[in-house]
Amino acid sequence: GAGVSQSPSNKVTEKGKDVELRCDPISGHTALYWYRQSLGQGLEFLIYFQGNSAPDKSGLPSDRFSAERTGGSVSTLTIQRTQQEDSAVYLCASSSRGEYFSYEQYFGPGTRLTVT
Amino acid sequence: GNSVTQMEGPVTLSEEAFLTINCTYTATGYPSLFWYVQYPGEGLQLLLKATKADDKGSNKGFEATYRKETTSFHLEKGSVQVSDSAVYFCALRTNFGNEKLTFGTGTRLTIIP
Repeated sequence: GAGVSQSPSNKVTEKGKDVELRCDPISGHTALYWYRQSLGQGLEFLIYFQGNSAPDKSGLPSDRFSAERTGGSVSTLTIQRTQQEDSAVYLCASSSRGEYFSYEQYFGPGTRLTVT
Repeated sequence: GNSVTQMEGPVTLSEEAFLTINCTYTATGYPSLFWYVQYPGEGLQLLLKATKADDKGSNKGFEATYRKETTSFHLEKGSVQVSDSAVYFCALRTNFGNEKLTFGTGTRLTIIP
């Protein structure tokens, strides 16, 4: 079956512009996660969705970052007024969920964002 | 808070050598522990996991044992191959409500023929 897909695979943008990154999770997975992979900070958690709600947004680095999920499926991560320090690979993951906790997280290939 | 400390890389080994990548953790509660692998040009893949103390995770010849007394989850393989060249990440997740993975910094492994 299809895995987690992300688009675009690469995005180059000018400082100050807004960008939108998209994630299509595995069909039927109710949990969705965004992470960021950068040279200086390693792999960092950004936000977690269960269905359309986000019970954990603790990793979003500033109010320039926001995310939404609609229909319990596709998610969009938006970065407003991009800064050079936002340059990173943004990873999306999804998982199914049992009664008390989520199962294995499956990762997408990532979107490489470069802010010039 | 939760944290994972992982062996610094890069690591370069000859084919058929023995591999150990050290990983220790700090966590509240009783975490589940994971090793993820990222092959060149590919996404993160789960390599193996262990959900409670003394569990051993294994896959593709790799093994790691959950040691609560030393808070460690070291990755081992008896005989590495060129195809094992990748970046390896140790990670933890505390169960029951805290869903996020906390990752180590990653260890780049290169195997030379």
